[in-house]
Amino acid sequence: DAGVIQSPRHEVTEMGQEVTLRCKPISGHDYLFWYRQTMMRGLELLIYFNNNVPIDDSGMPEDRFSAKMPNASFSTLKIQPSEPRDSAVYFCASSLGSGNNQPQHFGDGTRLSIL
Amino acid sequence: GESVGLHLPTLSVQEGDNSIINCAYSNSASDYFIWYKQESGKGPQFIIDIRSNMDKRQGQRVTVLLNKTVKHLSLQIAATQPGDSAVYFCAENTGGFKTIFGAGTRLFVKA
Repeated sequence: DAGVIQSPRHEVTEMGQEVTLRCKPISGHDYLFWYRQTMMRGLELLIYFNNNVPIDDSGMPEDRFSAKMPNASFSTLKIQPSEPRDSAVYFCASSLGSGNNQPQHFGDGTRLSIL
Repeated sequence: GESVGLHLPTLSVQEGDNSIINCAYSNSASDYFIWYKQESGKGPQFIIDIRSNMDKRQGQRVTVLLNKTVKHLSLQIAATQPGDSAVYFCAENTGGFKTIFGAGTRLFVKA
């Protein structure tokens, strides 16, 4: 089975530009999570979806960040406009949840550098 | 690796020895706990989990121990191998889908 697939693996762009990160969850998983990982703050949950519906976006740092899940096999995380402090590794994860006792499966992340 | 922290706790062990990685969790209401392994350039990978109604669970070469009295979780790796070198995260879940990750411990295996 294919795991969680993220693209691009690396993104380098100048501040002020729009950045779009993409994620394909594991087929059949009904929960999707976006995380950000930095040296200073570790792994932070940004937002998660259940059946394509955003459930909790309290971790989204600012209005510059937005996430969508138009269907069960695709999600995007967008930053507009981007700033240098957004530089981090962004992970997408999915899980099969009939309850909360299921592990999340992570993609290999997008390393984002904002110059 | 790229993942987290220049100042992560580090455990250095000799190849073939057993490793014990400890974790203190924060919420006494947490009922599900997970250990993840993160190698350089990759996402966290599920290793083993345990529910709060258990105090021990074993996998292949790994054992997780849960002490709810002192809110402590440990991961034991038997016969540690160079491929076990990574950052290890404990995570807790409290009745919902929000998983809280610890800061991580870097395991370094000396050949």
